[in-house]
Amino acid sequence: SQQGEEDPQALSIQEGENATMNCSYKTSINNLQWYRQNSGRGLVHLILIRSNEREKHSGRLRVTLDTSKKSSSLLITASRAADTASYFCATAGGTSYGKLTFGQGTILTVHP
Amino acid sequence: NAGVTQTPKFQVLKTGQSMTLQCAQDMNHEYMSWYRQDPGMGLRLIHYSVGAGITDQGEVPNGYNVSRSTTEDFPLRLLSAAPSQTSVYFCASSYSADYYGYTFGSGTRLTVV
Repeated sequence: SQQGEEDPQALSIQEGENATMNCSYKTSINNLQWYRQNSGRGLVHLILIRSNEREKHSGRLRVTLDTSKKSSSLLITASRAADTASYFCATAGGTSYGKLTFGQGTILTVHP
Repeated sequence: NAGVTQTPKFQVLKTGQSMTLQCAQDMNHEYMSWYRQDPGMGLRLIHYSVGAGITDQGEVPNGYNVSRSTTEDFPLRLLSAAPSQTSVYFCASSYSADYYGYTFGSGTRLTVV
């Protein structure tokens, strides 16, 4: 079974709006990562947040982590049509060092 | 740097055939992994390695074999292909499991008929 579950499964917004995606996981982690996948392409690493961090920023991305609730959220501010992609959370560590486990992803569509 | 290189990009196999998917990275990454991606299933981990000579099973290892004789290469062997192995396969590598994300290859689209 997969470690992470993303919510919503699909999100449709207008350009300029903010997009928020959530991820829940089941077991203890060392870090949580977010990836983007454009249609038919490989995954691209966006941001990593360690278990002792609560919030992290990178450009228009903001990630939060709540280890007590075993959940994370990815916020993309001022979305652009080019942000249209699938977004995946992935968890690493805990008792399985070196193992990165993915959720099923959120499909984001940003309309121009 | 080439990053993570996967070959071939496309492959059609007949049921029962065997083949090796190649993965090479030139970033001196210790951590390497193989995933399969099926529609609506996200990515599922097949096998992973934390260094040369060290491999371990992921979520869906049955029907697949790996070895890691060098830091650079992490081939995935399909022992006897089955239609259920039709999927897109991704190889990924990372410098560190704690502080760095993974770099993914562009994938191999495999069809087993």
